Amino acid sequence: DADVTQTPRNRITKTGKRIMLECSQTKGHDRMYWYRQDPGLGLRLIYYSFDVKDINKGEISDGYSVSRQAQAKFSLSLESAIPNQTALYFCATSDPLGDQETQYFGPGTRLLVL
Amino acid sequence: DQQVKQNSPSLSVQEGRISILNCDYTNSMFDYFLWYKKYPAEGPTFLISISSIKDKNEDGRFTVFLNKSAKHLSLHIVPSQPGDSAVYFCAAREYGNKLVFGAGTILRVKS
Repeated sequence: DADVTQTPRNRITKTGKRIMLECSQTKGHDRMYWYRQDPGLGLRLIYYSFDVKDINKGEISDGYSVSRQAQAKFSLSLESAIPNQTALYFCATSDPLGDQETQYFGPGTRLLVL
Repeated sequence: DQQVKQNSPSLSVQEGRISILNCDYTNSMFDYFLWYKKYPAEGPTFLISISSIKDKNEDGRFTVFLNKSAKHLSLHIVPSQPGDSAVYFCAAREYGNKLVFGAGTILRVKS
């Protein structure tokens, strides 16, 4: 089984709808991250959480919110989706005490906002 | 302004030859650099890293070189194999383990 899972893998929604992307991990890591990938822009950080009580904005947090329900779960919400939020979204985890804090990524969620 | 730049969107190399992927950065406070590889429909996976106190790190066919004075790092793959065809992301670590990623380079290894 995958260590970092994301649901759904693909989602089509309409402008103005609220949607939630979910991430679960079995690696036991405290730190979790949400990124989006756009062609020519690489991976950009949306939000990150260093433990259950810690939530921080990344470089592109506008229009997004997150919830850290447990150590293993970190959800990303689009309050009112707009077409320029069409992208590939990745969740990642890391262990500050391990392996030079390498981040481990989920398989991604492809989101299309019409 | 992008702090980590990969100026080559794509690279095509013949099987068995060397692949060289380049990355430039602007923030002198970065202390750790990583390369990730990404196949279609999968998340990025960690490939190799280098601390800012070193200038070279080698792992099998993969070697990363760091030139701090030039704020430049490169990934060498020797020999290149068709299975190396993927998108390669350069990343640099800021204080607190936030990673800053480059835009990626698509590597195609032709057999």
